[in-house]
Amino acid sequence: DQQVKQNSPSLSVQEGRISILNCDYTNSMFDYFLWYKKYPAEGPTFLISISSIKDKNEDGRFTVFLNKSAKHLSLHIVPSQPGDSAVYFCAAGGTYKYIFGTGTRLKVLA
Amino acid sequence: DVKVTQSSRYLVKRTGEKVFLECVQDMDHENMFWYRQDPGLGLRLIYFSYDVKMKEKGDIPEGYSVSREKKERFSLILESASTNQTSMYLCASSLYRANTGELFFGEGSRLTVL
Repeated sequence: DQQVKQNSPSLSVQEGRISILNCDYTNSMFDYFLWYKKYPAEGPTFLISISSIKDKNEDGRFTVFLNKSAKHLSLHIVPSQPGDSAVYFCAAGGTYKYIFGTGTRLKVLA
Repeated sequence: DVKVTQSSRYLVKRTGEKVFLECVQDMDHENMFWYRQDPGLGLRLIYFSYDVKMKEKGDIPEGYSVSREKKERFSLILESASTNQTSMYLCASSLYRANTGELFFGEGSRLTVL
């Protein structure tokens, strides 16, 4: 039973446009939701997070939206840059345990 | 900067061998984690530890054990490696009740079991 789902394995976007990555979850008890970016042969790096008590968090070009009623999380990247090309994982959890989605490969076309 | 260091980037082992993967973090984090990453399956939690000598099973603990004798070090042990344990292994650490829930990852250890 997959508690955190990323239904789009890949996404291609033109440079300068908006990238929207989506994530669905099933457990209402998660405290935090996070997005990570991963390049090949490297560990994931933290991008942005949101607490379950908020519905939006912004950090520069990255904004995360949380819709608790729909159990849906999205990451918006504006404007997209070629260096954003990577695999993006969403994750959900609490104090100790974090569950990751399967990842979405974003390709930003120059 | 937080640094999480994994001892080996690439390992090749034979079926039945005992394998140790070591992880060290330098930021005095209470929590440490071992994940494995496989194509199409994302990151799956093997074990985690919230204190020295404490350990909890994650979602896929079968075939693995862990050791946390010191706060900064978390070891993953494959008692008898099998080919289905060929994977990328990722260690992470975090502060207890960090505001952002952020995990800091190492660069990963790619294990091939022949």
